[in-house]
Amino acid sequence: DVKVTQSSRYLVKRTGEKVFLECVQDMDHENMFWYRQDPGLGLRLIYFSYDVKMKEKGDIPEGYSVSREKKERFSLILESASTNQTSMYLCASSFPRTHTTYEQYFGPGTRLTVT
Amino acid sequence: EDQVTQSPEALRLQEGESSSLNCSYTVSGLRGLFWYRQDPGKGPEFLFTLYSAGEEKEKERLKATLTKKESFLHITAPKPEDSATYLCAVRRNNNDMRFGAGTRLTVKP
Repeated sequence: DVKVTQSSRYLVKRTGEKVFLECVQDMDHENMFWYRQDPGLGLRLIYFSYDVKMKEKGDIPEGYSVSREKKERFSLILESASTNQTSMYLCASSFPRTHTTYEQYFGPGTRLTVT
Repeated sequence: EDQVTQSPEALRLQEGESSSLNCSYTVSGLRGLFWYRQDPGKGPEFLFTLYSAGEEKEKERLKATLTKKESFLHITAPKPEDSATYLCAVRRNNNDMRFGAGTRLTVKP
């Protein structure tokens, strides 16, 4: 079974703090993704990565950065947390775009509250 | 602009009362439509992928179908354990995914 783990289930940070969210997958997937999920808005893509050290902006990258130094690990960084970044953050991984199956496998999520 | 719209937002059914959830999409270069189930406080769990109009997939009480503009998730004789939020997503030409806002299903015993 694919396993995607996230470093924290719940996180409370103060405005202006630097926040790191870590994600690890054990299926040797090339692709990894970061989403945020808000009520009524669904999942919105922040960044994704299709290879080590590669990254592409999603729909809402402002205020975020990412790092992928190893294939199994993808980090989301909030350089200076703000209250409007309070949300559920979901990490996912998948096979590459050339693969016949492309479904994404998700971690359990990190509920981040910025006060 | 690519859009994925799910309806209804919420659906309450009695146990055994069959129904359908809708996912309509406008996307250039559809490369797959995906259904996920999400339980409260958890990440989405993959259910089905559909690639072409007319395709159908089944899993227990769930059946997903696809036309050129929409997909339906049919739930036959649902049970309380089918209560969850069901998400639809489309794979776009640039290979990333766009998700709908979901339908929150509640099945009462």
